[in-house]
Amino acid sequence: QTVVTQEPSVSVSPGGTVTLTCGLSSGSVSTSHYPSWYQQTPGQAPRTLIYSTNTRSSGVPDRFSGSILGNKAALTITGAQAGDESDYYCVLFVGGGVDWVFGGGTKLTVL
Amino acid sequence: QVQLQVSGPGLVKPSETLSLTCAVSGYSISSDYYWGWIRQPPGKGLEWIGSMHHSGSTYYNPSLKSRVTMSIDTSKNQFSLKLTSATAAETAVYYCARHGVRGNWYFDLWGRGTLLTVSS
Repeated sequence: QTVVTQEPSVSVSPGGTVTLTCGLSSGSVSTSHYPSWYQQTPGQAPRTLIYSTNTRSSGVPDRFSGSILGNKAALTITGAQAGDESDYYCVLFVGGGVDWVFGGGTKLTVL
Repeated sequence: QVQLQVSGPGLVKPSETLSLTCAVSGYSISSDYYWGWIRQPPGKGLEWIGSMHHSGSTYYNPSLKSRVTMSIDTSKNQFSLKLTSATAAETAVYYCARHGVRGNWYFDLWGRGTLLTVSS
């Protein structure tokens, strides 16, 4: 069974830079997994931030960027703001057909 | 503006069948996208349940495959989820969402979600 790993919690200072990662329990994440990232605040549906590794969704500030770092997908937030405090989920496309696996999410604290 | 709206009973008894519908407005469900279901137990992460294309192509989470059925009603522009033998662990907010095909593999549109409780 495929497991996607994320840091459970990360903190960053206002104005700072933080990188969240998304890994696979076995193997490396590549662009072929089409990593995408979603931001979720309490009580709200997820919001699409990044897709296909590094493409920002419409309206997403360029403070958010995606990449592959080593064997993981990464979401980097530069100039962190209080409003960035959210849960962040990555999801990987892993199937030969259609098969998605979400990571467990990272709770980002800005303090 | 494209919108997805989930509707369902809110409460289901254990061992019964969970049924939800997602109504799509502002966009044809017969377009070249997959329509999917994702759930989130209270305080926990997201889990993909399954995705369906209007052509009939359907994919399910392997862990749920034996109990899940998805369907599409193009005349009503909506799609549905049925999950048999529900348990309390399946109490969750259920979201419907859209994702692309052929390289556009990401969820670009989400409904607001509805809480479904499995309890006697």
